[in-house]
Amino acid sequence: EVQLVESGGGLVQPGGSLRLSCAASGFTFSSYSMNWVRQAPGKGLEWVSYISSGSSTIYYADSVKGRFTISRDNAKNSLYLQMNSLRDEDTAVYYCAPNYYDTKHPAQRYYFDYWGQGTLVTVSS
Amino acid sequence: DIQMTQSPSSVSASVGDRVTITCRASQGISSYLAWYQQKPGKAPKLLIYAASSLQSGVPSRFGGSGSGTDFTLTISSLQPEDFATYYCQQANSFPRTFGQGTKVEIK
Repeated sequence: EVQLVESGGGLVQPGGSLRLSCAASGFTFSSYSMNWVRQAPGKGLEWVSYISSGSSTIYYADSVKGRFTISRDNAKNSLYLQMNSLRDEDTAVYYCAPNYYDTKHPAQRYYFDYWGQGTLVTVSS
Repeated sequence: DIQMTQSPSSVSASVGDRVTITCRASQGISSYLAWYQQKPGKAPKLLIYAASSLQSGVPSRFGGSGSGTDFTLTISSLQPEDFATYYCQQANSFPRTFGQGTKVEIK
């Protein structure tokens, strides 16, 4: 069973930093690309960042580019998001989501079938 | 960036009603589109991928159609557990983008 457990959220002042982690299990973590998606309170979903299985390809949303860094440790089955220069508008629940798919349905690989429970980041003074 | 626009933003419907939600992409995305359902306090759930493929375990009353720029999610007969917010998402290119959501409420 695929399981994703995010951690590291909390209250931080504007301009501060936080590092989120996502512990993955139930699938071969090193074979799948990973994403962070966030949701501000009462708002919609916003994709944040993508990292390929071997970390060679990385993308960011414009809203976080230059401030956030995605990384992964395949030996530890873990995904990370280093968040610096945090702003009020970064307040959100952050989810990790793999591009995991059933090999019988490879078209699923572009989408998010599994999500963690999310970790809340609150940026406030 | 590809903008995804859903309509309506909210819809009031009764159990048994047919509900249709549309999603328009600002440029062509072939069939690289998914639909998600989200209930309060929960993570989103994948319903439809590749515009029209029903995810395993999702009831057959959910259906997706469209390609290019215009897409539709249809719930053929609304059930009590379907009251939720629905999002479309394009996977044609980065950055991945979601629609703003459509809230399906009880009439």
